[in-house]
Amino acid sequence: AQKVTQAQTEISVVEKEDVTLDCVYETRDTTYYLFWYKQPPSGELVFLIRRNSFDEQNEISGRYSWNFQKSTSSFNFTITASQVVDSAVYFCALRGYQTGANNLFFGTGTRLTVIP
Amino acid sequence: EPEVTQTPSHQVTQMGQEVILRCVPISNHLYFYWYRQILGQKVEFLVSFYNNEISEKSEIFDDQFSVERPDGSNFTLKIRSTKLEDSAMYFCASSEARTGALSEQYFGPGTRLTVT
Repeated sequence: AQKVTQAQTEISVVEKEDVTLDCVYETRDTTYYLFWYKQPPSGELVFLIRRNSFDEQNEISGRYSWNFQKSTSSFNFTITASQVVDSAVYFCALRGYQTGANNLFFGTGTRLTVIP
Repeated sequence: EPEVTQTPSHQVTQMGQEVILRCVPISNHLYFYWYRQILGQKVEFLVSFYNNEISEKSEIFDDQFSVERPDGSNFTLKIRSTKLEDSAMYFCASSEARTGALSEQYFGPGTRLTVT
């Protein structure tokens, strides 16, 4: 079965601090995809990144970086020098290649509040 | 940039009424999805649709739900007899392919359904 765990329900940081959002996943699929989505207060889901299971290279995009570690089944997301506009709920999601290949399994989300 | 659109943005209905939520996927996409997010909870997969038929559905997608692609552009979710617990944000998504680099699911802004 597919499962995504985001143990941090809520995080508050002061602007310009770095923050890491944790994501741990479970899957029996040997090939799978991992995602992060941002849900701002307006409610839409904004795609941030997709990572394939066979590509463990970490990625940096501006202030965002992602650390994928297959050995610990984790796909953590770090925001450097956080800004108030980063305040949102962040969801980690998993899609298996073999199991339920059409659907995304989401974690319960982490609400990030950046205090000015 | 092409995007998924959904109408209405907010729908209020009385328990027992039928509702139809509408989505216009990205024009060259072939795979369509509905997800649901009950307020404050995680996003949950409902159904995927390809080639004019359901390819996968979750346990949530029971007989009161149906999907249809009535023409070349719209993709609809019908709830036959709404219940209070159907109150949620409903997201439509589409993707160009099922797997690989073009399998990114792009989400619409959501329809907030309130059942009274």
